[in-house]
Amino acid sequence: DAKTTQPTSMDCAEGRAANLPCNHSTISGNEYVYWYRQIHSQGPQYIIHGLKNNETNEMASLIITEDRKSSTLILPHATLRDTAVYYCIVSLAYGGSQGNLIFGKGTKLSVKP
Amino acid sequence: DTEVTQTPKHLVMGMTNKKSLKCEQHMGHRAMYWYKQKAKKPPELMFVYSYEKLSINESVPSRFSPECPNSSLLNLHLHALQPEDSALYLCASSQERGRTVKYFGPGTRLTVT
Repeated sequence: DAKTTQPTSMDCAEGRAANLPCNHSTISGNEYVYWYRQIHSQGPQYIIHGLKNNETNEMASLIITEDRKSSTLILPHATLRDTAVYYCIVSLAYGGSQGNLIFGKGTKLSVKP
Repeated sequence: DTEVTQTPKHLVMGMTNKKSLKCEQHMGHRAMYWYKQKAKKPPELMFVYSYEKLSINESVPSRFSPECPNSSLLNLHLHALQPEDSALYLCASSQERGRTVKYFGPGTRLTVT
Protein backbone atom coordinates (compact mmCIF):
# COMPACT_ATOMS: atom_id res chain seq x y z
CA ASP A 1 0.00 0.00 0.00
CA ALA A 2 1.24 3.48 -0.87
CA LYS A 3 1.96 5.46 2.29
CA THR A 4 2.32 8.79 0.48
CA THR A 5 0.59 10.51 -2.40
CA GLN A 6 2.34 13.13 -4.50
CA PRO A 7 1.44 14.89 -7.75
CA THR A 8 3.10 13.31 -10.75
CA SER A 9 4.63 16.54 -12.00
CA MET A 10 4.89 20.25 -11.28
CA ASP A 11 6.40 23.29 -12.98
CA CYS A 12 8.03 26.24 -11.27
CA ALA A 13 9.52 29.46 -12.62
CA GLU A 14 13.17 30.05 -11.87
CA GLY A 15 13.63 32.27 -8.83
CA ARG A 16 10.19 31.54 -7.46
CA ALA A 17 9.35 29.30 -4.53
CA ALA A 18 8.57 25.69 -5.36
CA ASN A 19 5.97 24.13 -3.07
CA LEU A 20 5.76 20.36 -3.32
CA PRO A 21 2.83 18.74 -1.49
CA CYS A 22 2.63 15.27 -0.02
CA ASN A 23 -0.30 13.48 1.55
CA HIS A 24 0.35 10.85 4.20
CA SER A 25 -2.99 10.38 5.91
CA THR A 26 -2.06 7.03 7.50
CA ILE A 27 1.13 8.25 9.16
CA SER A 28 1.64 6.85 12.65
CA GLY A 29 2.76 8.84 15.67
CA ASN A 30 6.40 7.83 15.57
CA GLU A 31 6.91 8.06 11.82
CA TYR A 32 8.87 10.90 10.28
CA VAL A 33 8.41 12.61 6.93
CA TYR A 34 11.55 12.48 4.79
CA TRP A 35 12.28 14.18 1.50
CA TYR A 36 14.82 13.05 -1.05
CA ARG A 37 15.37 14.18 -4.60
CA GLN A 38 17.02 12.59 -7.60
CA ILE A 39 18.45 14.65 -10.37
CA HIS A 40 18.52 12.83 -13.69
CA SER A 41 21.01 9.92 -13.73
CA GLN A 42 22.44 10.81 -10.31
CA GLY A 43 22.02 9.20 -6.92
CA PRO A 44 19.19 10.27 -4.62
CA GLN A 45 20.00 13.17 -2.33
CA TYR A 46 18.66 13.55 1.20
CA ILE A 47 17.01 16.94 1.67
CA ILE A 48 15.24 17.21 5.01
CA HIS A 49 13.05 15.38 7.49
CA GLY A 50 10.67 16.19 10.34
CA LEU A 51 8.32 14.68 12.89
CA LYS A 52 5.88 17.37 14.00
CA ASN A 53 7.51 20.76 13.87
CA ASN A 54 8.40 22.69 10.78
CA GLU A 55 12.02 22.28 9.80
CA THR A 56 14.42 24.38 7.77
CA ASN A 57 17.93 23.80 6.52
CA GLU A 58 20.17 25.27 3.85
CA MET A 59 18.33 23.43 1.10
CA ALA A 60 14.65 23.66 1.95
CA SER A 61 11.85 24.07 4.47
CA LEU A 62 9.41 21.38 5.52
CA ILE A 63 5.94 22.36 6.69
CA ILE A 64 3.93 19.61 8.40
CA THR A 65 0.25 20.15 9.13
CA GLU A 66 -0.92 19.97 12.70
CA ASP A 67 -2.73 16.67 12.13
CA ARG A 68 0.42 15.38 10.35
CA LYS A 69 -1.63 14.05 7.47
CA SER A 70 0.13 16.17 4.89
CA SER A 71 3.27 18.19 4.38
CA THR A 72 4.87 20.60 1.95
CA LEU A 73 8.47 20.86 0.89
CA ILE A 74 9.44 24.40 0.01
CA LEU A 75 12.41 25.36 -2.13
CA PRO A 76 12.46 29.10 -1.50
CA HIS A 77 14.20 30.25 -4.67
CA ALA A 78 14.15 27.48 -7.25
CA THR A 79 16.97 27.27 -9.77
CA LEU A 80 17.32 25.21 -12.93
CA ARG A 81 19.53 22.82 -10.95
CA ASP A 82 16.55 21.99 -8.73
CA THR A 83 14.87 20.17 -11.63
CA ALA A 84 14.55 16.63 -10.29
CA VAL A 85 12.18 13.96 -9.04
CA TYR A 86 11.25 14.68 -5.43
CA TYR A 87 10.33 11.78 -3.17
CA CYS A 88 8.29 12.11 0.02
CA ILE A 89 8.86 9.10 2.30
CA VAL A 90 7.17 8.27 5.58
CA SER A 91 9.28 6.08 7.82
CA LEU A 92 10.56 5.47 11.30
CA ALA A 93 13.87 7.10 12.12
CA TYR A 94 15.10 3.56 12.07
CA GLY A 95 13.31 2.00 9.13
CA GLY A 96 13.01 -1.42 10.59
CA SER A 97 15.67 -4.09 10.49
CA GLN A 98 15.97 -3.83 6.75
CA GLY A 99 16.58 -0.13 6.69
CA ASN A 100 15.13 0.01 3.24
CA LEU A 101 13.98 3.27 1.75
CA ILE A 102 10.67 2.75 0.03
CA PHE A 103 10.67 5.21 -2.83
CA GLY A 104 7.29 5.90 -4.40
CA LYS A 105 6.85 7.53 -7.78
CA GLY A 106 7.67 11.04 -6.58
CA THR A 107 6.97 14.42 -8.17
CA LYS A 108 8.86 15.47 -11.26
CA LEU A 109 9.65 19.15 -10.67
CA SER A 110 10.62 21.13 -13.74
CA VAL A 111 12.11 24.56 -13.08
CA LYS A 112 11.75 26.75 -16.14
CA PRO A 113 13.67 29.94 -17.06
CA ASP B 1 31.57 16.03 4.37
CA THR B 2 28.62 13.92 3.24
CA GLU B 3 30.20 12.47 0.14
CA VAL B 4 29.95 8.94 -1.11
CA THR B 5 32.13 8.24 -4.13
CA GLN B 6 31.67 5.51 -6.71
CA THR B 7 33.89 4.26 -9.49
CA PRO B 8 33.66 3.84 -12.38
CA LYS B 9 30.94 6.23 -13.50
CA HIS B 10 30.21 4.16 -16.57
CA LEU B 11 30.95 0.51 -17.32
CA VAL B 12 30.28 -1.58 -20.40
CA MET B 13 30.90 -5.30 -20.05
CA GLY B 14 30.22 -8.48 -21.94
CA MET B 15 28.30 -11.36 -20.48
CA THR B 16 31.50 -13.35 -19.89
CA ASN B 17 33.45 -10.55 -18.24
CA LYS B 18 34.32 -10.09 -14.58
CA LYS B 19 34.28 -6.54 -13.26
CA SER B 20 33.95 -4.73 -9.94
CA LEU B 21 32.18 -1.61 -8.77
CA LYS B 22 33.72 0.37 -5.94
CA CYS B 23 32.21 2.65 -3.31
CA GLU B 24 33.90 4.70 -0.61
CA GLN B 25 32.76 6.92 2.26
CA HIS B 26 34.70 8.67 5.01
CA MET B 27 31.84 9.78 7.22
CA GLY B 28 32.40 7.04 9.77
CA HIS B 29 29.13 5.40 8.77
CA ARG B 30 28.81 1.78 9.84
CA ALA B 31 26.16 0.74 7.34
CA MET B 32 26.59 0.59 3.59
CA TYR B 33 24.13 -0.40 0.89
CA TRP B 34 23.93 -1.40 -2.74
CA TYR B 35 20.84 -0.41 -4.75
CA LYS B 36 19.89 -1.13 -8.34
CA GLN B 37 17.85 1.33 -10.35
CA LYS B 38 16.28 0.64 -13.72
CA ALA B 39 15.17 3.47 -15.99
CA LYS B 40 12.14 5.41 -14.72
CA LYS B 41 11.90 3.20 -11.62
CA PRO B 42 12.80 3.94 -7.99
CA PRO B 43 15.95 2.40 -6.49
CA GLU B 44 15.67 -1.18 -5.24
CA LEU B 45 17.71 -2.49 -2.34
CA MET B 46 20.18 -5.29 -3.10
CA PHE B 47 22.53 -5.67 -0.12
CA VAL B 48 23.08 -4.18 3.31
CA TYR B 49 26.34 -4.29 5.23
CA SER B 50 26.43 -3.43 8.90
CA TYR B 51 29.76 -3.16 10.69
CA GLU B 52 31.43 -4.75 7.66
CA LYS B 53 29.22 -7.83 7.78
CA LEU B 54 26.55 -8.69 5.27
CA SER B 55 23.24 -8.40 7.05
CA ILE B 56 20.73 -8.37 4.21
CA ASN B 57 20.71 -9.95 0.77
CA GLU B 58 17.48 -9.18 -1.03
CA SER B 59 17.48 -12.47 -2.97
CA VAL B 60 20.04 -11.13 -5.40
CA PRO B 61 21.43 -13.63 -7.98
CA SER B 62 24.87 -15.00 -7.18
CA ARG B 63 26.36 -13.33 -10.24
CA PHE B 64 26.41 -10.25 -7.98
CA SER B 65 28.89 -10.67 -5.12
CA PRO B 66 29.33 -7.90 -2.55
CA GLU B 67 32.40 -7.37 -0.43
CA CYS B 68 33.19 -4.97 2.40
CA PRO B 69 36.99 -4.89 2.90
CA ASN B 70 36.80 -2.27 5.65
CA SER B 71 34.42 0.24 7.17
CA SER B 72 35.00 2.78 4.40
CA LEU B 73 34.90 0.58 1.31
CA LEU B 74 32.23 -1.46 -0.40
CA ASN B 75 32.69 -3.45 -3.59
CA LEU B 76 30.27 -5.21 -5.89
CA HIS B 77 31.85 -7.96 -7.97
CA LEU B 78 30.10 -8.79 -11.22
CA HIS B 79 30.40 -12.02 -13.19
CA ALA B 80 28.41 -13.56 -16.03
CA LEU B 81 25.82 -10.81 -16.05
CA GLN B 82 22.83 -10.70 -18.35
CA PRO B 83 21.70 -7.77 -20.51
CA GLU B 84 18.74 -7.24 -18.17
CA ASP B 85 21.24 -6.42 -15.42
CA SER B 86 21.99 -3.16 -17.20
CA ALA B 87 21.05 -0.41 -14.74
CA LEU B 88 22.32 2.36 -12.50
CA TYR B 89 24.01 0.84 -9.45
CA LEU B 90 23.92 3.06 -6.41
CA CYS B 91 25.91 2.85 -3.21
CA ALA B 92 24.67 4.49 -0.02
CA SER B 93 25.73 4.77 3.59
CA SER B 94 24.10 5.64 6.90
CA GLN B 95 25.31 6.05 10.46
CA GLU B 96 23.90 2.67 11.38
CA ARG B 97 21.82 0.02 9.68
CA GLY B 98 18.22 0.99 9.47
CA ARG B 99 18.70 4.74 9.69
CA THR B 100 16.38 6.35 7.19
CA VAL B 101 18.76 9.21 6.47
CA LYS B 102 21.11 7.81 3.86
CA TYR B 103 23.74 9.39 1.68
CA PHE B 104 24.00 8.13 -1.87
CA GLY B 105 26.84 8.09 -4.32
CA PRO B 106 26.45 9.26 -7.92
CA GLY B 107 26.08 5.71 -9.19
CA THR B 108 27.70 3.52 -11.82
CA ARG B 109 25.86 3.25 -15.11
CA LEU B 110 26.31 -0.39 -16.15
CA THR B 111 25.62 -1.70 -19.63
CA VAL B 112 25.85 -5.44 -20.28
CA THR B 113 26.27 -6.38 -23.93
